[in-house]
Amino acid sequence: AQSVAQPEDQVNVAEGNPLTVKCTYSVSGNPYLFWYVQYPNRGLQFLLKYITGDNLVKGSYGFEAEFNKSQTSFHLKKPSALVSDSALYFCAVRDSSGTYKYIFGTGTRLKVLA
Amino acid sequence: EAQVTQNPRYLITVTGKKLTVTCSQNMNHEYMSWYRQDPGLGLRQIYYSMNVEVTDKGDVPEGYKVSRKEKRNFPLILESPSPNQTSLYFCASSSGETQYFGPGTRLLVL
Repeated sequence: AQSVAQPEDQVNVAEGNPLTVKCTYSVSGNPYLFWYVQYPNRGLQFLLKYITGDNLVKGSYGFEAEFNKSQTSFHLKKPSALVSDSALYFCAVRDSSGTYKYIFGTGTRLKVLA
Repeated sequence: EAQVTQNPRYLITVTGKKLTVTCSQNMNHEYMSWYRQDPGLGLRQIYYSMNVEVTDKGDVPEGYKVSRKEKRNFPLILESPSPNQTSLYFCASSSGETQYFGPGTRLLVL
């Protein structure tokens, strides 16, 4: 069965410091991996995805994520955090073979402190 | 403007009173989906549709129905709502793997 784990409910980081939001996954086939961001009282917005190819994926707003097959991880990173990055971040996975079900993690609240 | 719209945005109802939440997209996407968001549980997929007249269950389909009679619309039907269906609901659509989400519908069942 597919699953996604976001082990941290909240991550605090100082403005200007690098940030990492962790995600690990489990699928039976090859994964399609995604990061979405949710600002207060808004829907989810797409940040980036890994389908195939280069393990380092670059996305919107300066975010990037690294696909690590051996560790089944897809951590979200940004070299220099902004206060405006404060939001709720969701990792999601879809198995590339078979169903078109998406599994989302429980979310990580990122707080960037000025 | 390319978008996914949901109506209503807020709804308070009572147990057992049938309701429908509408979802419409103007991007000609084949794939549409419904999710519910609950604190501590993240987003959980209720139903999805690969195309007109093709729907399938997600992880939490109990108590919900959907239909896909037209490509642009994917309504979510609660035949007999119960308090445990109080939640924030999101509709999404996609043509590839990237999903575009609606603004959400906050439902309170008393």
